[in-house]
Formats: sequence, structure tokens, C-alpha cells
Amino acid sequence: GAGVSQSPSNKVTEKGKDVELRCDPISGHTALYWYRQSLGQGLEFLIYFQGNSAPDKSGLPSDRFSAERTGGSVSTLTIQRTQQEDSAVYLCASSHNINREFASYGYTFGSGTRLTVV
Amino acid sequence: AQKITQTQPGMFVQEKEAVTLDCTYDTSDPSYGLFWYKQPSSGEMIFLIYQGSYDQQNATEGRYSLNFQKARKSANLVISASQLGDSAMYFCAMRELSNFGNEKLTFGTGTRLTIIP
Repeated sequence: GAGVSQSPSNKVTEKGKDVELRCDPISGHTALYWYRQSLGQGLEFLIYFQGNSAPDKSGLPSDRFSAERTGGSVSTLTIQRTQQEDSAVYLCASSHNINREFASYGYTFGSGTRLTVV
Repeated sequence: AQKITQTQPGMFVQEKEAVTLDCTYDTSDPSYGLFWYKQPSSGEMIFLIYQGSYDQQNATEGRYSLNFQKARKSANLVISASQLGDSAMYFCAMRELSNFGNEKLTFGTGTRLTIIP
């Protein structure tokens, strides 16, 4: 597609429920990133995918968070047993592969999913 | 230790004036890249400008320029002739190799810029 697409754009869920957030990256972008932005804060790195593998999961805040990517394209971020502190905007970004020939390419971000846990 | 430091949480600037947003960084990687992103109230992240660590000249993109001082590890964004539409959050970010061998962007905490008519 023309840009990075995320769905849903807004999600309100009850504490303790599971949620799935979807990211559809730009076609041909092999690298995919999930970030979290809490209200008024900067972006916190969660996980990185190169193709379908996730070599860097270091940013996932707890084992309630998991992510997968299939077919080198769509990615799903799952949060189990949601807590109020999970409330944030979850941003997905994609880019060309890590070849530094493309180093000047910024990441293309989606519009995010605003998650509210009540 | 903070990888990216933005010391100005908020700035107010008169329309048509130039503005400098500060950014300092910390890395031991000899090859890295520095980015600036704009985030308007709509929430989207808009790529503005990029500077590679080996680039000899400061990057420029229209009204945006990056004042890159490698020895001081600073990468300030300069916006010339500010416009009302420049009001937004601005994030500085650094691309470097992670401990897992992949590249990733690390963001600063941002500066909220407000342009006054």
C-alpha cells in the first residue's frame, strides 16, 4: 500500500482483556518496528522484525506482550490481560532493510492505535 | 544514560522567526544516523531530515537544516521563517546498531514548539 496502515485506530478495552493490534507495512519494506508512546512522552521501542523473525524483542515490557509477523508483511502486537498502564498510542513503522545504502530513509510510521484500558 | 537528550520541553516562537531545537546524543558506534521527526496534534510522525555520521556537510531540506557538530555530539534542528503550521512536537532520533545486530531508532523526549501569530 501507499503507507503504513494500523488498525484499529482506537481501542477501548476492559482491564484484564486481551487485545490485538494490527500493522500493515509498506509493500517491500522488510524491517518493521513497534513503538509505544505514552501521553506526552517520547517513543519507546518495543520490538523489531526483519522479515518474519524478531531478532530484537528487548523493548517488550513484560511477558504479556507478544508480536508476530507473517509472510514478511502484516504484524500483530498482542497484549494479554491488559492493565491500565498499557494505555498508550502504539505506533508501527516500516523501512527498507538494514542495508546502509538506504540509511537516509527514515522510518515510515503509521497513524497509530490509541489503546485505552478502563 | 540517555542516548538522545532534548533539553527544551517547550518553546514559543514568533511567526516568521527562525528557531533552533536542541539535540545531543551519545553513542560509541562510529557509524550512526540522526533524524528529526515532526508530530502534529493528529499524531502522525513525519520525517523531516537526516544526517549521517560521515556526512561532511550539514543536511538541509527546504526550511529545515541540521546543525551537526560531531565533536560536541549535537544535532540541532533549525527551522527558518517559522510558520503557524510548524506548531507540533519535534523528536530527535538516532539510528545505531543494537546489541542484537539490528539497527533501530532511539528517540528523545521531544520538544513542543508553538508558533505565535
